[in-house]
Amino acid sequence: QSVLTQAPSVSAAPGQKVTISCSGSNSNIGNNFVSWYEHLPGTAPKFLIYDDNKRPSGIPDRFSGSKSGTSATLGITGLQTGDEADYYCGTWDSSLSAYVFGTGTRVTVL
Amino acid sequence: EVQLLESGGGLVQPGGSLRLSCAASGFTFTNYAMSWVRQAPGKGLEWVSGISGGSDATYYADSMKGRVTISRDNSKNTVYLQVNSLRAADTAVYFCAKNRAIVVPGVPFDYWGQGTLVTVSS
Repeated sequence: QSVLTQAPSVSAAPGQKVTISCSGSNSNIGNNFVSWYEHLPGTAPKFLIYDDNKRPSGIPDRFSGSKSGTSATLGITGLQTGDEADYYCGTWDSSLSAYVFGTGTRVTVL
Repeated sequence: EVQLLESGGGLVQPGGSLRLSCAASGFTFTNYAMSWVRQAPGKGLEWVSGISGGSDATYYADSMKGRVTISRDNSKNTVYLQVNSLRAADTAVYFCAKNRAIVVPGVPFDYWGQGTLVTVSS
């Protein structure tokens, strides 16, 4: 059972924007940087966002991250069919001394 | 180009053991911590274990503590995961992941392997 909670699914039309929320606590999101990962089942997960809002090289600026208190958000603008995947937040939990992932959100492009 | 290639998965009986391997290339292996993450069928990602670049620190998820041991051989650019007393709930794809720094705590994973499937069944 994950300590980070995400909505199971979100959907939008091509070109639109989606936001994915990740809710945690002071022992994880509240005091540690958040990352985001994209995962298409059967493939290697992809690193999207780190340190709450930074993009690794090669990640388009359509992807953005933010954080407030014990919640983090991933935004995807200009939605494309290739964005259909599962998205996970992740961070270190200082109480557990463990890395924790969110429950995952499936993005569907209508 | 960073590459991570897992091996060692397969079908194992309950109570059995497996050693997973992950061969890394394309970066200075000793400068980065490495981790294992798994995904059970129909479930989300679950961090299993991490090891620092110099092997001086290891970390384990509570769910697997006592049954797994992570290790690395920096001369072979390879990280291992020994899993014992396997149970059906351990059936999953096990991914090897490169941490973004030499330590594990608080550090995300910037490169991942394709994963190796472990099936625990009689």
